[in-house]
Amino acid sequence: GENVEQHPSTLSVQEGDSAVIKCTYSDSASNYFPWYKQELGKRPQLIIDIRSNVGEKKDQRIAVTLNKTAKHFSLHITETQPEDSAVYFCAANGGYSTLTFGKGTMLLVSP
Amino acid sequence: GAGVSQSPSNKVTEKGKDVELRCDPISGHTALYWYRQSLGQGLEFLIYFQGNSAPDKSGLPSDRFSAERTGGSVSTLTIQRTQQEDSAVYLCASSLRSTGTSIYNEQFFGPGTRLTVL
Repeated sequence: GENVEQHPSTLSVQEGDSAVIKCTYSDSASNYFPWYKQELGKRPQLIIDIRSNVGEKKDQRIAVTLNKTAKHFSLHITETQPEDSAVYFCAANGGYSTLTFGKGTMLLVSP
Repeated sequence: GAGVSQSPSNKVTEKGKDVELRCDPISGHTALYWYRQSLGQGLEFLIYFQGNSAPDKSGLPSDRFSAERTGGSVSTLTIQRTQQEDSAVYLCASSLRSTGTSIYNEQFFGPGTRLTVL
């Protein structure tokens, strides 16, 4: 089955800095890679996703890049704000309808 | 519209007891997923229902865990003879129909049930 590794487990940045979270996956059949944000005490919510026929996707301050050859994908957040503080999860589908999630990255943005 | 709901929000039980956790998906969503989230861990897939098809039970950790989905809507996750290691937040998610590898739809999560086994 699919295996997803996510790094770092914790990331602290100053407000206005950029943050990058990286994930690797094992199953070359994976073709869907979503990112979820989970604020403290709340449910995970989809913030951006990318499909294997696309190398990069942007949505305002967030972007995701995908390198299928190397089997890794990354989340980039620019001009971070305190409200970006949360746990971020990457996932890959292994070619099926179910998702395998990484263990999460706790992002702390200090004012 | 109403999102995914789960009940109870919190459940405290004694080791060895059985528990039932309920999930009400978004109306019209045919796909339903159960996950387990332990402290410091990611979202561990448990089981997946798609319409009337046989569920994908590949993530269930032991035969003490089971789930059913009645009428293609409400789902119940049952844990028999609970153990302390079952303590976690159990999350349910639903999505529109996923068809093979060509179409993916966002999974909408419920608020979760926090299970504590004493």
